[in-house]
Amino acid sequence: DTTVKQNPRYKLARVGKPVNLICSQTMNHDTMYWYQKKPNQAPKLLLFYYDKILNREADTFEKFQSSRPNNSFCSLYIGSAGLEYSAMYLCASSREWGDYAEQFFGPGTRLTVL
Amino acid sequence: GEQVEQRPPHLSVREGDSAFITCTYTDPNSYYFFWYKQEPGASLQLLMKVFSSTEINEGQGFTVLLNKKDKQLSLNLTAAHPGDSAAYFCAVRNTGGADRLTFGKGTQLIIQP
Repeated sequence: DTTVKQNPRYKLARVGKPVNLICSQTMNHDTMYWYQKKPNQAPKLLLFYYDKILNREADTFEKFQSSRPNNSFCSLYIGSAGLEYSAMYLCASSREWGDYAEQFFGPGTRLTVL
Repeated sequence: GEQVEQRPPHLSVREGDSAFITCTYTDPNSYYFFWYKQEPGASLQLLMKVFSSTEINEGQGFTVLLNKKDKQLSLNLTAAHPGDSAAYFCAVRNTGGADRLTFGKGTQLIIQP
């Protein structure tokens, strides 16, 4: 099974409320990533886990948190959603750390913040 | 940091014609390049990955060309068919940073019958 699963596929949230998105893979991949994708924009890397080490991008450092309780699961947590968080959130995983490692993507979770 | 410009954002071609998409990147240290295809409601699927040492890669119904001199990556779908209708994204990784891909904004390709 080479699929990356994401739950839920659609999420509606109120401004100021927390949001938790879930990603899973059963390929025993070392690295898991979260991207944010807005219409007409490129997917933007938010953070990634290499094994148990979390790396967050500098410009979104304070906006997103994540946890990886085991190799298969990774969550993306927004403590207080704002309108600007409305986007598609893509999870991906890769087998290895390195330049040529292919990233496998999930179908995404569409988050709408009202 | 790396910047990737992908063109065109939208492309419509007739079935049987070719479709050409280009990405121009800025970092001369970029070495690894990827093309992804995303059908409606589906995940991004890897079409092809290329090294800097590879100039032309051929897949099933498409060709990828890497021009290091001009820092340009292109995807040419030959004899397009309805199944090619999708969004296409290029992605670039350079050796200077950690495990990061810089994506283009994507091209929405429509194949008309």
